[in-house]
Amino acid sequence: AQSVTQLGSHVSVSEGALVLLRCNYSSSVPPYLFWYVQYPNQGLQLLLKYTSAATLVKGINGFEAEFKKSETSFHLTKPSAHMSDAAEYFCAVSEGGGFKTIFGAGTRLFVKA
Amino acid sequence: DADVTQTPRNRITKTGKRIMLECSQTKGHDRMYWYRQDPGLGLQLIYYSFDVKDINKGEISDGYSVSRQAQAKFSLSLESAIPNQTALYFCATSVNRDGQPQHFGDGTRLSIL
Repeated sequence: AQSVTQLGSHVSVSEGALVLLRCNYSSSVPPYLFWYVQYPNQGLQLLLKYTSAATLVKGINGFEAEFKKSETSFHLTKPSAHMSDAAEYFCAVSEGGGFKTIFGAGTRLFVKA
Repeated sequence: DADVTQTPRNRITKTGKRIMLECSQTKGHDRMYWYRQDPGLGLQLIYYSFDVKDINKGEISDGYSVSRQAQAKFSLSLESAIPNQTALYFCATSVNRDGQPQHFGDGTRLSIL
């Protein structure tokens, strides 16, 4: 069975600092992996996705994530945080792009001025 | 206009009432989904539909039903609402080849007293 664990329900960084949001997955088949962002009072937006091509995936708003099979990880990073990055971020996994996408519990990112 | 529109945005009702949440989309996508979001639990899939004639149960379908009236419309019903169905509900769409939910509505916040 698939599962996703996001380490840290809350992460706080200073503006301009590195953003690192951690995600570990479990899957019995090669996974498809995703990161979504949710701003207050809005639905989720797809930030980026990994579908077995390049292991370093670039997304919108300067975010990127690296698929590491040996560590079963798909951590999200951004070199320099902006105030506008404050939101909740969800990691998700699915089996081969199928209908069932499993979401992690989310990590809320706070950005301090 | 939003690509995925949910109505109502907020609803407060009483235990035992029947409630319908509506979703319409202008993306032209075949797949539509209903998710429930609870704090600290991420998103859980209630029902999904591949097309008008294909509706499937998700992880937590008990107590819910759906209707796919047209490619663009997908409604979620709570036949007899109970307090533990208080949550934030999201509708989402995707094209068949990708599978994972791509476009989300802004959500319906439902409170059952």
